[in-house]
Amino acid sequence: GAGVSQSPSNKVTEKGKDVELRCDPISGHTALYWYRQSLGQGLEFLIYFQGNSAPDKSGLPSDRFSAERTGGSVSTLTIQRTQQEDSAVYLCASSLVAGDTQYFGPGTRLTVL
Amino acid sequence: AQSVAQPEDQVNVAEGNPLTVKCTYSVSGNPYLFWYVQYPNRGLQFLLKYITGDNLVKGSYGFEAEFNKSQTSFHLKKPSALVSDSALYFCAVRPAGGNTPLVFGKGTRLSVIA
Repeated sequence: GAGVSQSPSNKVTEKGKDVELRCDPISGHTALYWYRQSLGQGLEFLIYFQGNSAPDKSGLPSDRFSAERTGGSVSTLTIQRTQQEDSAVYLCASSLVAGDTQYFGPGTRLTVL
Repeated sequence: AQSVAQPEDQVNVAEGNPLTVKCTYSVSGNPYLFWYVQYPNRGLQFLLKYITGDNLVKGSYGFEAEFNKSQTSFHLKKPSALVSDSALYFCAVRPAGGNTPLVFGKGTRLSVIA
């Protein structure tokens, strides 16, 4: 079956612009996660959604970052007024329920010039 | 709060030799433990997990990991390394019970040299 997909695969933007990153989770998975991976670094947790519960936003680095999940499926991560330090690979994952095995998408590489 | 330590940033091993990538964890109660692998320019792929039962867990690509409760460790092993095993490896943990997200280690880069 289809895995987690993310779009775009690459995004180059100018400092100060807003960007939207999209994640399509595996069908039927109720939990969805966003992580950030900077060059040579580990995974930085950003946010996760579990069903209809309020999302856990504890990892968002600033109020320029936000995410939503519409209809319990597709999720969009929005970064407003991008900064150069936002350059990273943004990974999305989904699992059947929170805490279950996570399946990752290929990531979106964001470059802020 | 749970945490994971991967004490080695880099592990080098010769092709054909056994490999070990270390992971220790801290969690309240019993742990659920996971290993993921990330090949260059790819997302993370699930390798194996320990939930309960046999302490030795076998996973994809010939990898295995041993849960050691007394040492709070979950080291990843393979009897004979391949050049194609060269990648970034992540250990993750969460407490058994409840539905909390996984907490990941910082990753260990494995280089297998021909």
